[in-house]
Amino acid sequence: GAGVSQSPRYKVAKRGQDVALRCDPISGHVSLFWYQQALGQGPEFLTYFQNEAQLDKSGLPSDRFFAERPEGSVSTLKIQRTQQEDSAVYLCASSAQDRGMNTEAFFGQGTRLTVV
Amino acid sequence: AQKVTQAQTEISVVEKEDVTLDCVYETRDTTYYLFWYKQPPSGELVFLIRRNSFDEQNEISGRYSWNFQKSTSSFNFTITASQVVDSAVYFCALSEHSDDKIIFGKGTRLHILP
Repeated sequence: GAGVSQSPRYKVAKRGQDVALRCDPISGHVSLFWYQQALGQGPEFLTYFQNEAQLDKSGLPSDRFFAERPEGSVSTLKIQRTQQEDSAVYLCASSAQDRGMNTEAFFGQGTRLTVV
Repeated sequence: AQKVTQAQTEISVVEKEDVTLDCVYETRDTTYYLFWYKQPPSGELVFLIRRNSFDEQNEISGRYSWNFQKSTSSFNFTITASQVVDSAVYFCALSEHSDDKIIFGKGTRLHILP
């Protein structure tokens, strides 16, 4: 497709379960970002990739969160031993230029994670 | 530190009225970028505009207009002759040239009543 695609759209996980969220950026886009959006809040930065290199992971809330983009295209955000406070919408964005979010970024529809 | 404040949590107006969404930002960088995004109920963030800190010209795009004032660190967004389809959450955001990430405000939920 032409836009950023995220899957699954909805995920319900039991507390303690591991989850993996997938992001397919727009083809050819160099930069890829993950954001976490809690209910009623603005998106909060998690991590940034330039091609396969993870250049900034300062926003990852704990070592239970891990992201990868091994071939510089598809990215996976993994959350281990999920906790209730991980419940949020996880947004992925991609950008054509390697200066990151200073340029226009395109967002996916997000994955809504609910931890029960 | 960079910060974006959207003081209006929620606004309701009747269709065809004009409405202005306020945004105030803080940054120590002299080069930075300001954005507005729209988030409809579907959840996807839709890019509306990007301005750099050296371009203070106001911009108009159809019914949308933006007023950038460095003196007050504000980047306000006005919708003229609002329509029901404008109902969404609107986010103002900031990115410093020295950084890769964008910082979002908490958003303003806009209800356009028919």
